[in-house]
This record gives sequence, C-alpha cells and structure tokens, in this order.
Amino acid sequence: KQEVTQIPAALSVPEGENLVLNCSFTDSAIYNLQWFRQDPGKGLTSLLLIQSSQREQTSGRLNASLDKSSGRSTLYIAASQPGDSATYLCAVDTGTASKLTFGTGTRLQVTL
Amino acid sequence: DTGVSQDPRHKITKRGQNVTFRCDPISEHNRLYWYRQTLGQGPEFLTYFQNEAQLEKSRLLSDRFSAERPKGSFSTLEIQRTEQGDSAMYLCASSSGLAGGKETQYFGPGTRLLVL
Repeated sequence: KQEVTQIPAALSVPEGENLVLNCSFTDSAIYNLQWFRQDPGKGLTSLLLIQSSQREQTSGRLNASLDKSSGRSTLYIAASQPGDSATYLCAVDTGTASKLTFGTGTRLQVTL
Repeated sequence: DTGVSQDPRHKITKRGQNVTFRCDPISEHNRLYWYRQTLGQGPEFLTYFQNEAQLEKSRLLSDRFSAERPKGSFSTLEIQRTEQGDSAMYLCASSSGLAGGKETQYFGPGTRLLVL
C-alpha cells in the first residue's frame, strides 16, 4: 500500500526566505507526483506535476524535484511571500484509476 | 472554463439524516473523482467515474454511501443515515484522462459536512 509522508508538518519563515518542503513515498512505481496548495477551508489548487520520467518542474518561484528511486520529492519556494501562506500537499498517482494518494501536508506561514 | 463546482458549500445535519452533494466537473473532462478530507489530514480517495461508469470504490465507501454520474456529466454523492464520523470536507475533482502520467486533477471548493 502506498504511503506518503510530508516533513515538516508545519513551518514558519520570515518573508523573503527560500524554503524546502519534503515529501516521501513508499512505492516507487508511480506515474506522476503532484504538488497542491490548499488555503484554509478551500479546495486544492494544482501547482506542479512531475511525470515519472522527469526529474524536476518549475513554475515561477516554485521548483519541484523528483527522485523516484529513493521515493522522494522536494518543493522549493524562492523568496517567500506572505501570500504563500497555505498548506502544501503532495500526492502520487500510482496509475490505478489515476487516484491520488496524498500526504498530510505541510502548513506554511510566511511572516512579515 | 468555469472550473469544478460543488453544491452546497456547507451542510449541517443531524445524525441519522440523509444528505446529497452535487459536483459539476469541467465540461470536457470524462473522469470524475470524490475524495474525503478530515481535519489535519490529506484527502482520501472515495470513488472514481469514467464517463457514467463507476470504476472503483474505496473500502472507505460503506454501504451508506452511494455515488452516481447518470449522464457522464455532473455527479451526486449521497450519504444515508449520517453518523458523526461522516463529518468532513468532501472534495470532487475532474480530469481529462490523458495517458502517460500527464493527468492533472482539478479540484472543486469542497462541501463541508457537519453531523450533529
């Protein structure tokens, strides 16, 4: 059974800092890994999708890497802003109906 | 493209009552998913439709839960005889079914259920 773990569970940083969020998964047989953002009480917004054959994806200040063999992914956020405050979730698609298995998330707070 | 919509956004009900939620996916998407999210946890898969066919159900989906997608467009999730443990956010997602690991799921805003 696929299990996804995210570390740390919560993180508080001052504005402008670069930061790294970690995600690990137990079964390396994945189709892709996705990072989502969730604001309090809201749905999920897709940030980045990395296919199993890819090593990284970039979008603006966000960069996600994937090391499938070791079961790890990182989300790098450059020059953090208060508007980045949210919960960040990673999820893996194991190809079985493309259902996603999620981690429990990292709650990020960026302070002024 | 107006995104995935869900109705209602919030529902408060008494234990033992039945509730029904609706999800309208992005119009050209043939895949539709339901997930459940409890406080402090990530979403958990409940069930999945390819057009109107329900292809997979999680063991989390007890016989009190039923989902339909009658015409391959909108979907409904019904919970009968609600229990306090059903209190959660119910999320709907849709996707276009691209092959090769390129598929992104687009999520709706969710329906928050509170069972008293």
